[in-house]
Amino acid sequence: QQQVKQSPQSLIVQKGGISIINCAYENTAFDYFPWYQQFPGKGPALLIAIRPDVSEKKEGRFTISFNKSAKQFSLHIMDSQPGDSATYFCAAGDTGNQFYFGTGTSLTVIP
Amino acid sequence: NAGVTQTPKFRVLKTGQSMTLLCAQDMNHEYMYWYRQDPGMGLRLIHYSVGEGTTAKGEVPDGYNVSRLKKQNFLLGLESAAPSQTSVYFCASSHGRQPQHFGDGTRLSIL
Repeated sequence: QQQVKQSPQSLIVQKGGISIINCAYENTAFDYFPWYQQFPGKGPALLIAIRPDVSEKKEGRFTISFNKSAKQFSLHIMDSQPGDSATYFCAAGDTGNQFYFGTGTSLTVIP
Repeated sequence: NAGVTQTPKFRVLKTGQSMTLLCAQDMNHEYMYWYRQDPGMGLRLIHYSVGEGTTAKGEVPDGYNVSRLKKQNFLLGLESAAPSQTSVYFCASSHGRQPQHFGDGTRLSIL
């Protein structure tokens, strides 16, 4: 059973556009929500993370929006660039040191 | 500064063979993790460690064993490899409880 559901599976965006990736969870014990970026042949890299007491966190062109009541969170990439083309994973962690990953979104930014 | 180094990068095994995957980190991190990544399933936690001499089971621990005899090293063992263990294995380390720095993976095929 997938603890974190991620959509869409793939996304194509024009350069300069906004990329939006969504994740949903059910377990209310989750208290930390990171996002990772992965390029082909490489391991994931921590991109940005949020705690449930904050509704939004922004770092550069990357923003996490968090809706605690709906148990949903999303990643917004503003002014998307071809260099952002990668696979993005959301994750959710509980106090027991276990982090559950979504199934990934393959983002392609077209020049 | 090498970060997280995984050895080997590729390996082909026959069913029933054993092997050990090595993960080394030079950042003095307490937390270390082993994940497997399969198409369409994201990353799933196999085992993790919160410090030297400690290990704990993750989401999919069956068929694997681990050891953390030295703080900088985290070993993943397959005692009797099965085709279902064909995957890409990632090691990660962190100061805190969310996996932060990943290696570039070990691609393991079991025939």
